Amino acid sequence: DGGITQSPKYLFRKEGQNVTLSCEQNLNHDAMYWYRQDPGQGLRLIYYSQIVNDFQKGDIAEGYSVSREKKESFPLTVTSAQKNPTAFYLCASGNTEAFFGQGTRLTVV
Amino acid sequence: EDQVTQSPEALRLQEGESSSLNCSYTVSGLRGLFWYRQDPGKGPEFLFTLYSAGEEKEKERLKATLTKKESFLHITAPKPEDSATYLCAVQALLHNYGQNFVFGPGTRLSVLP
Repeated sequence: DGGITQSPKYLFRKEGQNVTLSCEQNLNHDAMYWYRQDPGQGLRLIYYSQIVNDFQKGDIAEGYSVSREKKESFPLTVTSAQKNPTAFYLCASGNTEAFFGQGTRLTVV
Repeated sequence: EDQVTQSPEALRLQEGESSSLNCSYTVSGLRGLFWYRQDPGKGPEFLFTLYSAGEEKEKERLKATLTKKESFLHITAPKPEDSATYLCAVQALLHNYGQNFVFGPGTRLSVLP
């Protein structure tokens, strides 16, 4: 089946720990995006990539890092520098419409 | 600054009671306006794309319309399974290159049987 796969569905992070969220797509899209969703707020852009080996910061990139070594994959690392990482993280791909994965809920413990 | 607002924040309808959701936007270089449906704990599901004022799209009980400043999502004779948060987004040109999707906060729709 074509689509976007995010893993894990739930993730728990300890203070001072880096964690990586996976995002894979088999839709042959050039563009991929990472968004953060907090209750009562719209989706906010963290990073985006228009092409392999290139990516750009979005509105809230501080404390996050990404890589785009393959067209299909766009992993997001939440570093210890991100002070409030508890949120619902959504990966999307698409050159016109954006299609979303099912999300990863990250909680700091 | 590109911005999307949605109203109402929450809407409660009886089954069969038609209504409309509003999405107002300000954006430089609009490429498209999108509607999504999001169920709790899930990723947004794509519904419609609208590109120009006057355009309309329909899917089952949903119809989306677009003007130069806003879009409406009309829900005709809703059923309880239509309960979800409906997100509006605009595709805007980014200042460096490429494009971004700017999302509104959503309207939380509850349809009571």
